[in-house]
Amino acid sequence: EVQLVESGGGLVQPGGSLRLSCAASGFTVNSNYMNWVRQAPGKGLEWVSVIYSGSSTYYADSVKGRFTISRDNSKNTLYLQMNSLRAEDTAVYYCARDPFGASSFDYWGQGTLVTVSS
Amino acid sequence: QSALTQPASVSGSPGQSITISCTGTSSDVGSYNYVSWYQQHPGKAPKLMIYEVSNRPSGVSNRFSGSKSGNTASLTISGLQAEDEADYYCSSYTSSTTVFGTGTKVTVL
Repeated sequence: EVQLVESGGGLVQPGGSLRLSCAASGFTVNSNYMNWVRQAPGKGLEWVSVIYSGSSTYYADSVKGRFTISRDNSKNTLYLQMNSLRAEDTAVYYCARDPFGASSFDYWGQGTLVTVSS
Repeated sequence: QSALTQPASVSGSPGQSITISCTGTSSDVGSYNYVSWYQQHPGKAPKLMIYEVSNRPSGVSNRFSGSKSGNTASLTISGLQAEDEADYYCSSYTSSTTVFGTGTKVTVL
C-alpha cells in the first residue's frame, strides 16, 4: 500500500529554519517525481517544489533560493529544507507523488503544519 | 507562475450537473494535455479526480469528467450528490513546474 507520512512541522520564528520529512512506503521515491505542495490557512493549493527521478529540482518563485528539496534513497524519504522563513510561509505542507512527471499527484500525505510567527 | 483562474463557487441541486472552468494561458493549459483536477474535503488532503485532461484514476466515479478547449479546461460533475460538496482545484504542468487553480467551492443545495 502506498503511503506518505510527513513530519517536522511546528512553530518557528521569522528568519528561522525548519526541515520537513516525508517518509514513503509502498514505492520508491527515486523512481517518481516527488513534490511539495502547501496550503495557507483558508487558502488554496500552492505548488512549492519537485525533484525528478533523475535528481533535477525546480522551485516556485516564492521559495526559490530559500527552500531546498532533496531525498534519501536509502531511507526512501523526501525532504524540504526551509530557510529564511517568513510569515507568508505559514501553511500545511503536503508531499505528493507524481508517477509520470505530468503534474498529476496520485498520492498525498496527511500534511504537516508550519507556523512562522514571533 | 500565476494561478489558473477558477470560479469561486458553483452550486447545484442533487441529481443536476455542474461544470467548473479553469482558465490558464498558452504557457500552461493551452500548451499541454497535463491538466488535473483535485477534490478536497475540509481538513483532508486533496484527492486526484482527473488526470491528463480527461482520464479518471481507478476508483473515481464516472460522474466526474474532464475536457479542454484552448486555454480553458473544465470539470463536469453529473448526477450531483451530497458527498460531492467540497473544494475543487485544477492544475497544469508548465515548464517543469506545476501551477494550481484558485479553487472552487461546490455546494450541493
